[in-house]
Amino acid sequence: GNSVTQMEGPVTLSEEAFLTINCTYTATGYPSLFWYVQYPGEGLQLLLKATKADDKGSNKGFEATYRKETTSFHLEKGSVQVSDSAVYFCALRIPGGGADGLTFGKGTHLIIQP
Amino acid sequence: NAGVTQTPKFQVLKTGQSMTLQCAQDMNHEYMSWYRQDPGMGLRLIHYSVGAGITDQGEVPNGYNVSRSTTEDFPLRLLSAAPSQTSVYFCASSRPLTGELFFGEGSRLTVL
Repeated sequence: GNSVTQMEGPVTLSEEAFLTINCTYTATGYPSLFWYVQYPGEGLQLLLKATKADDKGSNKGFEATYRKETTSFHLEKGSVQVSDSAVYFCALRIPGGGADGLTFGKGTHLIIQP
Repeated sequence: NAGVTQTPKFQVLKTGQSMTLQCAQDMNHEYMSWYRQDPGMGLRLIHYSVGAGITDQGEVPNGYNVSRSTTEDFPLRLLSAAPSQTSVYFCASSRPLTGELFFGEGSRLTVL
């Protein structure tokens, strides 16, 4: 079946540090890949996505590259801010799947200290 | 600028009680879905709908019912609440086949 594995954390960094959150996946076919972010007390919102191998998604200073050879979609940011503190979810979707629902990882709680 | 609206935000039930979580979207999205979020488990799909009159089960459907009489609304019914249903519930809507979900703010349910 399809699955997503990501580090659960919490991951604690100082402001302006470099961030990497690892995400690997197992899927049949050729999935689209997503990162969603959940700020405290809110629902999830789409951060970035990539739909085919070697695509790079980017938004708000975050980037992730779809690596088919390593089945990975690691999230990176060069200099994090306190406002980036949130839970980050990696997810995949198989084109043509019966549900439009995604398969989510368990989430990574990121804490940025001033 | 409402997007996806869920009510109530908080609810406490006793075991065996029934209730309905409401979800409404104003983006004319065909797809709607319900997830539950539990510590260490991430998000799990309960039920989903690909259009008015069409629903299907997700990963964890037991104990929940849904219906979709209009494009806008997708209520989730708990028929006989159990402590295992204590969770945070999220409703989401999306344009077909994009995977870009728009989530509500969540409903925190506690079953005693």
